[in-house]
Amino acid sequence: EAQVTQNPRYLITVTGKKLTVTCSQNMNHEYMSWYRQDPGLGLRQIYYSMNVEVTDKGDVPEGYKVSRKEKRNFPLILESPSPNQTSLYFCASSLFPSGGTHEQYFGPGTRLTVT
Amino acid sequence: GQSLEQPSEVTAVEGAIVQINCTYQTSGFYGLSWYQQHDGGAPTFLSYNALDGLEETGRFSSFLSRSDSYGYLLLQELQMKDSASYFCAVLTGGGNKLTFGTGTQLKVEL
Repeated sequence: EAQVTQNPRYLITVTGKKLTVTCSQNMNHEYMSWYRQDPGLGLRQIYYSMNVEVTDKGDVPEGYKVSRKEKRNFPLILESPSPNQTSLYFCASSLFPSGGTHEQYFGPGTRLTVT
Repeated sequence: GQSLEQPSEVTAVEGAIVQINCTYQTSGFYGLSWYQQHDGGAPTFLSYNALDGLEETGRFSSFLSRSDSYGYLLLQELQMKDSASYFCAVLTGGGNKLTFGTGTQLKVEL
């Protein structure tokens, strides 16, 4: 089954404790992206990657790091999480070029709470 | 930067037609997408417009006017399962960056 998986799905952590949220896709997509979703703000893009070793900032990259060492994986790293990073995080992937629609396939989401 | 405006909430009855509008201000416009998100779920792709005009996919249609920086999603023959949030999103940066609106919550009533 074609899918994007994220782990963990739920995480409660404390301020300053480094964490990594993994994202993996099995569709051989070149493009991958991370978003955070907060009430009233919609989804905001954190980082994206057009291919292995190619990453770029989205609209809200502060406090986050990413890496793309393999095509299928795109982990999101919070080196020193703070309470304002409490949010629902989505990973997404897409063919690039996509053949026209730029359809992004989203993972199930990771709900992160930083206390 | 990019900014998008869409209504926060729309209510309609089952079987009706509803239109969700989206206006945007952006540089480097590449295209306009629409996504659906049910409560507790992930966004799912509905449609994409790069050129002016109407795109139809089953009960859903999407329209774009690049000169007016405006688009809409049209949902026909509404069903209860269409109750969800709908997001317009602009593609910029050659198709690399996706900026979402704040979403429209659609409630379908009997």
